[in-house]
Amino acid sequence: EVQLVQSGAEVKKSGESLKISCKTSGYSFSNYWIGWVRQMPGKGLEWMGIIHPGDSDTRSSPSFQGQVTISADKSISTAYLQWSSLKASDTAIYFCARTTSGSYHTAFDMWGQGTLVSV
Amino acid sequence: ENALTQSPGTLSVSPGERATLSCRASQSVSSSYLAWYQQKPGQAPRLLIYGASSRATGIPDRFSGSGSGTDFTLTISRLEAEDSAVYYCQQYGSSPWTFGQGTKVEIK
Repeated sequence: EVQLVQSGAEVKKSGESLKISCKTSGYSFSNYWIGWVRQMPGKGLEWMGIIHPGDSDTRSSPSFQGQVTISADKSISTAYLQWSSLKASDTAIYFCARTTSGSYHTAFDMWGQGTLVSV
Repeated sequence: ENALTQSPGTLSVSPGERATLSCRASQSVSSSYLAWYQQKPGQAPRLLIYGASSRATGIPDRFSGSGSGTDFTLTISRLEAEDSAVYYCQQYGSSPWTFGQGTKVEIK
């Protein structure tokens, strides 16, 4: 069974750093893209970026470029989203999601449960 | 960036009736790389439709997608109470991928 399990809720102060995780199982981690999606309180979904764990090819939305870092560790089938200096406006739920195939141009068919970050 | 605009913002439909949701792109969506997701409160989104018209695994056939170019539609025929949710379209044809702002479907 494919699973994406995200790390728990975080409460941080402005200026602090943070790294949240998305641990996957049940499929070949290196062969599918993993993306991150932000949902601010009461708002819609925003695509932040995506990484291919096999070769670390990463694409980011200009809205988030330079604000967050997306990474992956193949050895433990885990993707990460990190901030070096949080702002109050980073308060949101962050979802990780897997593409339906190894192609870049595919939808997200499997989602993590979300990580609430409060700043 | 290919911006997606969904309409209406909120749709109120009686059980058993049809709901029609629209998604319009600011630029043509390459190869119909368009998906629809359903999100219920407190849950992660769920993939309903990909490739504009292909149903994802386990999705009931009352959900159907259509369209091409810049205009896409999600139709929910025979609406059920459990279909109350927010529905998002997403294009994954050109980077950055983008989501529409969502349509909330309410059951009358």
